[in-house]
Amino acid sequence: GEDVEQSLFLSVREGDSSVINCTYTDSSSTYLYWYKQEPGAGLQLLTYIFSNMDMKQDQRLTVLLNKKDKHLSLRIADTQTGDSAIYFCAESTYAGNNRKLIWGLGTSLAVNP
Amino acid sequence: DAGVTQSPTHLIKTRGQQVTLRCSPKSGHDTVSWYQQALGQGPQFIFQYYEEEERQRGNFPDRFSGHQFPNYSSELNVNALLLGDSALYLCASSPRDTYGYTFGSGTRLTVV
Repeated sequence: GEDVEQSLFLSVREGDSSVINCTYTDSSSTYLYWYKQEPGAGLQLLTYIFSNMDMKQDQRLTVLLNKKDKHLSLRIADTQTGDSAIYFCAESTYAGNNRKLIWGLGTSLAVNP
Repeated sequence: DAGVTQSPTHLIKTRGQQVTLRCSPKSGHDTVSWYQQALGQGPQFIFQYYEEEERQRGNFPDRFSGHQFPNYSSELNVNALLLGDSALYLCASSPRDTYGYTFGSGTRLTVV
C-alpha cells in the first residue's frame, strides 16, 4: 500500500540543527520531496531527491535517503525562527502512466529563540 | 512569471450547496492536480488532469468532479457539500514529463 509516515512535532533552539525524518512504503517511488507550509499558506517545495541518490545538499538543507530502509531525512543547519513551519515529506508514485504525490501528515517544527 | 493562481482564496458555503474552485497553472505547465488538506492533515490526492481529461483519481466520491480547459486552467466542482468537505483545497501544476510540482496558495472552503 501507499503510506508515508512522519513524526508530528519537533522543537529545537535557534542555531541548532533540525532533523526531520520520514518513512515511506512504495519501493517504486521515483522522487521524494520535502515541502514547507507556513500557517495559512500553500506548499513550498524545499528540495527533492531522485531515488537513485543517497544524499543531496542545498545550502542549509541536506537530504539523506536510505532506499533499503525506505527512510528519508531532512536536516536544516543553523535553524532560524523563520524555519518554524510544518514540513511535509511526499513520495511520487506511479499509477499506470500517471504519477501522483502521497503525503505524510507533516512535522510541525518549532524554533525557540 | 506568475506561479499557480487559485481563486477564490476563501469561501463559505452551506451544506447541500455546490462550489466551483479555479486554478491557473504556472506558465509552461500542462498537468494540474487537486488536493484536499483537512486541518492538521497532509494533502490527499483528489484527481489529476492532462489534455483536458481526468487521468487518475484518488479515493473521493463522485460529488467531486473537475474540468481542464484548452489553456490548461482547471476547475474543481463539489456538489451536495458536507460539513466534512471543509478544508484547504490545493492545486498543483507540473510539466508532463518532469517532476516539478508547483502549488498554489489554496482555497479555504468552510461548509456550515
